[in-house]
Amino acid sequence: DAMVIQNPRYQVTQFGKPVTLSCSQTLNHNVMYWYQQKSSQAPKLLFHYYDKDFNNEADTPDNFQSRRPNTSFCFLDIRSPGLGDAAMYLCATSRGAPGRVGFSYEQYFGPGTRLTVT
Amino acid sequence: RKEVEQDPGPFNVPEGATVAFNCTYSNSASQSFFWYRQDCRKEPKLLMSVYSSGNEDGRFTAQLNRASQYISLLIRDSKLSDSATYLCAVNMDFGNEKLTFGTGTRLTIIP
Repeated sequence: DAMVIQNPRYQVTQFGKPVTLSCSQTLNHNVMYWYQQKSSQAPKLLFHYYDKDFNNEADTPDNFQSRRPNTSFCFLDIRSPGLGDAAMYLCATSRGAPGRVGFSYEQYFGPGTRLTVT
Repeated sequence: RKEVEQDPGPFNVPEGATVAFNCTYSNSASQSFFWYRQDCRKEPKLLMSVYSSGNEDGRFTAQLNRASQYISLLIRDSKLSDSATYLCAVNMDFGNEKLTFGTGTRLTIIP
C-alpha cells in the first residue's frame, strides 16, 4: 500500500564519501520533491521535478544533485557529504496544477531517509 | 517577517480539552493551504487541506482568514494520540508547485 517509498531508511556514510538516496512512487504524480529536514526545523526544499523539468532552489548547494529517470523514480545524490548534511531527507510527490497560478495540490511524503555522516 | 510562521509551542494540554493554533503567511495572494502532522522522527502526514469555506474532519477543524493572513487548526476533545508536531504549508511561490512549510507547533496531550 506504500505510495511513496524511500530507500534506504537509514544511511551512514563517511565524510566526503558519495551517497545516493532513492525515492519511488506508485501515485503517478507529475511532481517529485526532495526536502532536507533537521531537528525542530521546517522541511527545506532542495529541488523538485515537474515531469522531467528540474527546478533547483537558489540556496541548494552544488553538492546536492538529483536525477529523475522516469515518472516513478527520483534520486538524490550527495557528492561529498559533510557533517552539516546529516539530516532526514524526505521525498514527496504531488499532482501538477498547470496554469493554476498560486495553487498547489497536497504533497505526500515518503518515510524519509535518515542520513548520518561520520 | 518569515514567509510562514508558527508558534513553536510546546502546547501542553489536558486530555479532552480543545486546543487551537495558528499559522500566519506573508503572501496575500496565496491560495493553497494545508495542515500536516509529524510524529517524532517520522515524515509529515497530510492532516487536512484548508479551503476558503473552512474544513472539518471529525474532531479537527481548519479555517482560513484571508484578511489577517492566517490559517488555524482546532482540535476538539483531544486524545493522547494527538500528541505530535503540526506543520502548516502554504503555496508562496507562484508559477511553481511548491509549498513553504512552517517550523511546526509541538502539541503534547497530558493524561
